[in-house]
Amino acid sequence: GAVVSQHPSWVICKSGTSVKIECRSLDFQATTMFWYRQFPKQSLMLMATSNEGSKATYEQGVEKDKFLINHASLTLSTLTVTSAHPEDSSFYICSASHSGNTIYFGEGSWLTVV
Amino acid sequence: GESVGLHLPTLSVQEGDNSIINCAYSNSASDYFIWYKQESGKGPQFIIDIRSNMDKRQGQRVTVLLNKTVKHLSLQIAATQPGDSAVYFCAENYSGGSNYKLTFGKGTLLTVNP
Repeated sequence: GAVVSQHPSWVICKSGTSVKIECRSLDFQATTMFWYRQFPKQSLMLMATSNEGSKATYEQGVEKDKFLINHASLTLSTLTVTSAHPEDSSFYICSASHSGNTIYFGEGSWLTVV
Repeated sequence: GESVGLHLPTLSVQEGDNSIINCAYSNSASDYFIWYKQESGKGPQFIIDIRSNMDKRQGQRVTVLLNKTVKHLSLQIAATQPGDSAVYFCAENYSGGSNYKLTFGKGTLLTVNP
């Protein structure tokens, strides 16, 4: 079946550096992908909508210059956390819709900023 | 609806009992609803969905009930098993807006005691 893959599954980076997380739809094309952030014991919060070939749409309160999203192909969206700080440490999850019917989520990426 | 909570509601049941998990959604215009199961450290896993033209839908061991009058959604799990232990989220979508832009509820932690 359709699968959404994220990479890396977990990453540790130093404060002030940038880190990139990839979200791939493995066997289907996704014109739209979504990026969520989840803090421990909390719900998923939508950060942005990633649109293939155009700029991402960010939710209110999400800094577009800090969380760079690129959706260069129909199977890949990337989220880059720039100048990461410890408060950016979180679980980042992407999703993609398949044939306009079903939404699939990736397994998530744990980011720890030290 | 959109919510960020510091403490997840919890539900503890005995193995073999039926579980009922409730969710209040926020947008009266939402017309598509999904229940997800999230195990620790993993992405959300689709359980069952329902559209607003229905008030009940059944799957394997699960039933979703929708009450649009009071904006309430419930997930019933029959014969709950230890493997059902996880956090359960409801999510809502308004198809007249951005397709598959989901708003997640707070989540409920289900613990199944053997």
